[in-house]
Amino acid sequence: DQQVKQNSPSLSVQEGRISILNCDYTNSMFDYFLWYKKYPAEGPTFLISISSIKDKNEDGRFTVFLNKSAKHLSLHIVPSQPGDSAVYFCAADGYNTDKLIFGTGTRLQVFP
Amino acid sequence: EADIYQTPRYLVIGTGKKITLECSQTMGHDKMYWYQQDPGMELHLIHYSYGVNSTEKGDLSSESTVSRIRTEHFPLTLESARPSHTSQYLCASSASGIGGYTFGSGTRLTVV
Repeated sequence: DQQVKQNSPSLSVQEGRISILNCDYTNSMFDYFLWYKKYPAEGPTFLISISSIKDKNEDGRFTVFLNKSAKHLSLHIVPSQPGDSAVYFCAADGYNTDKLIFGTGTRLQVFP
Repeated sequence: EADIYQTPRYLVIGTGKKITLECSQTMGHDKMYWYQQDPGMELHLIHYSYGVNSTEKGDLSSESTVSRIRTEHFPLTLESARPSHTSQYLCASSASGIGGYTFGSGTRLTVV
């Protein structure tokens, strides 16, 4: 049973526009969420995170929103740039488990 | 510069061969992890370690084994490679407490 789901395998956005990547989770014990970015043939790199005590965290062009009641989080990238084209993974961490559960990823393509 | 290193980056090997994928980190992290990822799929945790002489199997069953004799080193071994082992293997480490992982660049293994 997949605990972290990214239902959109791909997303195509024009440069300068907003990219919204979505993630749903099923386990209410998750209390820390992260987004990773992955280029082909490379390991994932940490992008942004959010604790369950918050509903928003912002870092430059990247903002993560958390809706605990809906068990949903989203990553907003504004404005989108061609260099943002990559696969984005959502991950969740439960209290005191120290093990991240990853979603299947969403491939973002930003075109000029 | 603190980092995490995986070697080799790419490996093509024949069925039945024994292989060891290397992973080393210079950050002094106690916790280390091995993930397996097939294209378009989520990252599956196959092994983890919370310190020297500590190793545990992850959520995805794997025929590989690991060892943790030194804090900085967490190699993964396949005694007899099979085509079903073809995948990308990602090593990661983290400090104690809630936080993100630092990933290596990965090893893309192909068993022919």
